[in-house]
Amino acid sequence: NAGVTQTPKFQVLKTGQSMTLQCAQDMNHNSMYWYRQDPGMGLRLIYYSASEGTTDKGEVPNGYNVSRLNKREFSLRLESAAPSQTSVYFCASSGAQKREKLFFGSGTQLSVL
Amino acid sequence: QQQVKQSPQSLIVQKGGISIINCAYENTAFDYFPWYQQFPGKGPALLIAIRPDVSEKKEGRFTISFNKSAKQFSLHIMDSQPGDSATYFCAARNSGGSNYKLTFGKGTLLTVNP
Repeated sequence: NAGVTQTPKFQVLKTGQSMTLQCAQDMNHNSMYWYRQDPGMGLRLIYYSASEGTTDKGEVPNGYNVSRLNKREFSLRLESAAPSQTSVYFCASSGAQKREKLFFGSGTQLSVL
Repeated sequence: QQQVKQSPQSLIVQKGGISIINCAYENTAFDYFPWYQQFPGKGPALLIAIRPDVSEKKEGRFTISFNKSAKQFSLHIMDSQPGDSATYFCAARNSGGSNYKLTFGKGTLLTVNP
């Protein structure tokens, strides 16, 4: 099993450019999440999707949009990237039986110049 | 407002020693307290977790101690090994929501010297 797959692994953007981070899970999980990790700040929730067809804001949603494309896929879009969005982004998922256990992808390192 | 406070920020331990990482919380609605382990270049992975109805949970060399009255919980790594070198995050979940969001601490970078 691949688990949670994120693409791309690395990306460099210029300020104002847009891009979409892709995430897919093959564990038939209902819930999916996007976190960002910054030095000394821990993991902060950007958006989450409790189930297919629903999305909700997390702790730091400004500047981001998400799409739950289907049960497997949850994408994160930066419409106009800013240097403050330089971070490592992690997608995670959790199943219906143990919703509190998150399975994380390996991350996308994004630099906005 | 930081709901889960984690300390220390970094920790250096000699091989065979005991590593202790502490977390404190304010929200009494939290009902699930996991610890995640993250190696460089990887995503976090669940290490061990505890619910507030028990005071201690042990899995191998890893133990969570939980003090409900003090609203504190800690991770103890016995006989620490260089392979334990990683970043550790404590977290907490609010039982009041149906979305099972976790609130994470800021992390502790553990280095175990050989």
